[in-house]
Order: sequence, then structure tokens, then C-alpha cells
Amino acid sequence: DAKTTQPTSMDCAEGRAANLPCNHSTISGNEYVYWYRQIHSQGPQYIIHGLKNNETNEMASLIITEDRKSSTLILPHATLRDTAVYYCIVRVAGYAGGTSYGKLTFGQGTILTVHP
Amino acid sequence: DGGITQSPKYLFRKEGQNVTLSCEQNLNHDAMYWYRQDPGQGLRLIYYSQIVNDFQKGDIAEGYSVSREKKESFPLTVTSAQKNPTAFYLCASSLLQGGPEAFFGQGTRLTVV
Repeated sequence: DAKTTQPTSMDCAEGRAANLPCNHSTISGNEYVYWYRQIHSQGPQYIIHGLKNNETNEMASLIITEDRKSSTLILPHATLRDTAVYYCIVRVAGYAGGTSYGKLTFGQGTILTVHP
Repeated sequence: DGGITQSPKYLFRKEGQNVTLSCEQNLNHDAMYWYRQDPGQGLRLIYYSQIVNDFQKGDIAEGYSVSREKKESFPLTVTSAQKNPTAFYLCASSLLQGGPEAFFGQGTRLTVV
């Protein structure tokens, strides 16, 4: 799986959009970008994933550049409960080569702190 | 409600003792995983299982053992051979096909004294 690079930490004011960048310059054509977050002392939670088109769900939006070398996770109206570590993970989707969805390679992620 | 249950939340053991961490899921997922997390670090894969009675080593399997006798259960034993067992342990499960996500339990914090 391709390696990702994320800023160590970011701050955001409550109610504003939080834009979390991720670089994955060695991503392969069949690799998806996944985002998970981990609130302190809890298990990680899936947020969103995408291949090349922009994606949106009830939690966030994912913007992937045309060359797919980087992406941005957007939390449109951050709240204090969004304070967490956000992990950007690149992996082949599906049960490819025997690797199922939960076999994930986590980096250190971005610590997002949302301020009142 | 469907989900993954890890127990206990906190566990203390003396050095040299084996300890078993419990993980149960009622999501009907085929695959289950164990991760370890150290302070300020990301998760690292210990073992995973994609079918009953079968499992594979992850990146840091030394000093750990697992079993998968039932689809719902995937216990992890931290043996006395694990040199630095104090950590936060997370269990997860997922579908093999039709995902896309893995579901994680709330973790067990193991402290060896």
C-alpha cells in the first residue's frame, strides 16, 4: 500500500470548515484513499473513501486531485466533538490479493483540535 | 445493537504472566483483526483472520497468539514472550467483500507491572 504524509497537527475554530490535507504521491491506479478518525482512547471510526471522484457523505467531503497524488478531507462545520486524530490511508479496495478491508496501514495521522 | 465488544476496558497484569483479551462481534463479519497502539503512534497490525480456524500474522506478531474457533470471537493472548506488552489493544472486523469499512471496538488498555 502507498505511503501517506499528513501534517502532525492542525487547529480549527468551531463552526468553521476544517481542511485536512494528505499527500500520497506514490498511489497506484487501483488504490483508494480512506479516512478514519480516532477520538481519544476510543477505536478508530471510518469517515469516507474515494478513488478519483470527489465524495461526500453526512460526515465529510473528500476532494482528490486530478493526478491523485493528494487529497483533502473537509469537515464543513467543525464542532468540539470533531477533535480527534485523523488518519489518511491508501489501500487497494476490496478483497484483493487476500487483503480484506480491515487490513490497514496507519501512519501517525493529524491531530485536529477544534477550539470554541 | 450490532457492534464489536472488547473486554475488559482496563487490564493489569504482572510481568511474566500470559493474559487473554476478548473480542466479540455480532456484525456477521468474516474478517477480524487485532491492532496495537502505543502512545502518540498509529495502529500496528498484530494478527488477522479472514475465516474461522485460519489466521495470519501481521506486522508485529511476535509474543502474541490468537485463535478463531467461532466466527464471532477472536481472542488475543499476550504471552510472557512479548517484551513490551503495555499498550492499547484494538480489535476490528470487516466484510471480505462489499465493505468498505472496518469497524473497531473501544479497545483494551493493558498495563503490565
